[in-house]
Amino acid sequence: DTAVSQTPKYLVTQMGNDKSIKCEQNLGHDTMYWYKQDSKKFLKIMFSYNNKELIINETVPNRFSPKSPDKAHLNLHINSLELGDSAVYFCASSRSGGRSSGANVLTFGAGSRLTVL
Amino acid sequence: AQKITQTQPGMFVQEKEAVTLDCTYDTSDQSYGLFWYKQPSSGEMIFLIYQGSYDEQNATEGRYSLNFQKARKSANLVISASQLGDSAMYFCAMREEETSGSRLTFGEGTQLTVNP
Repeated sequence: DTAVSQTPKYLVTQMGNDKSIKCEQNLGHDTMYWYKQDSKKFLKIMFSYNNKELIINETVPNRFSPKSPDKAHLNLHINSLELGDSAVYFCASSRSGGRSSGANVLTFGAGSRLTVL
Repeated sequence: AQKITQTQPGMFVQEKEAVTLDCTYDTSDQSYGLFWYKQPSSGEMIFLIYQGSYDEQNATEGRYSLNFQKARKSANLVISASQLGDSAMYFCAMREEETSGSRLTFGEGTQLTVNP
């Protein structure tokens, strides 16, 4: 069973289109994240949700809208796609809190490669 | 300011030798965690090892060990007895408990190539 699963794995689309990436985790974690990895492999956080509540919202264009229907799911919807949105998008999850909350490891999905033409 | 710095864009090592991947960090938090992840060419992110700021012992996980020098703010990854399968991108990351919520901030990565 895949712990953090993202769909689709590959997405090729035209500029101006709207697309979504779905993420589900079966680890019982209460925090989920979206990270973007650019062409230089740099990983940057976009959003984080804890128990369906948005807790991190980095400087991301408002064309990107995350939605968390429950704590096991975090989807990413992107409107009006631009060439610069081409990247690999990683979903991740972790526990939060606890005695040693800093040690809570992020478990990543396999990534979704978005190509905007 | 860059919070995590990995100064080696690329490293090469002979199979069966040890290699050290450098990582320095910048934080004013007293409590923080340091992580290393591996990203092979297939693209997935694999957790390798964790070190807490209050941990007195250096973390070890099999062939991986973390050389934690708190005063120097460095958290270098040491891979012993390198294998061909160790060829990958390696990322150092930090979680600051007090100021950044639950996020991990990543360095720019080091591409390791193991030569036969």
